[in-house]
Amino acid sequence: GQNIDQPTEMTATEGAIVQINCTYQTSGFNGLFWYQQHAGEAPTFLSYNVLDGLEEKGRFSSFLSRSKGYSYLLLKELQMKDSASYLCAVRDSNYQLIWGAGTKLIIKP
Amino acid sequence: SAVISQKPSRDICQRGTSLTIQCQVDSQVTMMFWYRQQPGQSLTLIATANQGSEATYESGFVIDKFPISRPNLTFSTLTVSNMSPEDSSIYLCSAETGTSGANVLTFGAGSRLTVL
Repeated sequence: GQNIDQPTEMTATEGAIVQINCTYQTSGFNGLFWYQQHAGEAPTFLSYNVLDGLEEKGRFSSFLSRSKGYSYLLLKELQMKDSASYLCAVRDSNYQLIWGAGTKLIIKP
Repeated sequence: SAVISQKPSRDICQRGTSLTIQCQVDSQVTMMFWYRQQPGQSLTLIATANQGSEATYESGFVIDKFPISRPNLTFSTLTVSNMSPEDSSIYLCSAETGTSGANVLTFGAGSRLTVL
């Protein structure tokens, strides 16, 4: 079956750096997405990786290793507003999006 | 990216009734998607709605329970029929738009349904 694994919850301190990991086992691969979802709101797009390597976008970076079925989202200079759930999703060979359960990130002052 | 308007944002419904959720996109899109998200859980795809054809339902979801309309390229509705408390959830409408070479899903704000 298809599976996406990410930690259920993580805690970090304001101003610090946190890395949220995502491992996947899917039927084929056509890109990996990270979304941010604040409580009670819809998910919003953060990043997209289709080739191996690091994609940097401001305080957020996303890394992909297709051979390892692995990605991470790196958040730098954490702010209280970064408290949210972070969803990893993989597009498989049928172009279906497979979603992880999300990682709830708690930022403490 | 597209802007998606979804309504109602929330509703409290009685068991056995039906509710229709509306989704409006500010641009024409080929496919629209309806998801369900239970508290603390990830997104579950209900169905894909293409204009001019019947919706494609995922395993565990049927047209009689979740009828979908897609009358044009900017609008879709999802009806939750004969509701029970198990249908209490957030229902999300989404559409694919091209961003930076990827087809990214953009979501509406969601409809939070509580069934009593």
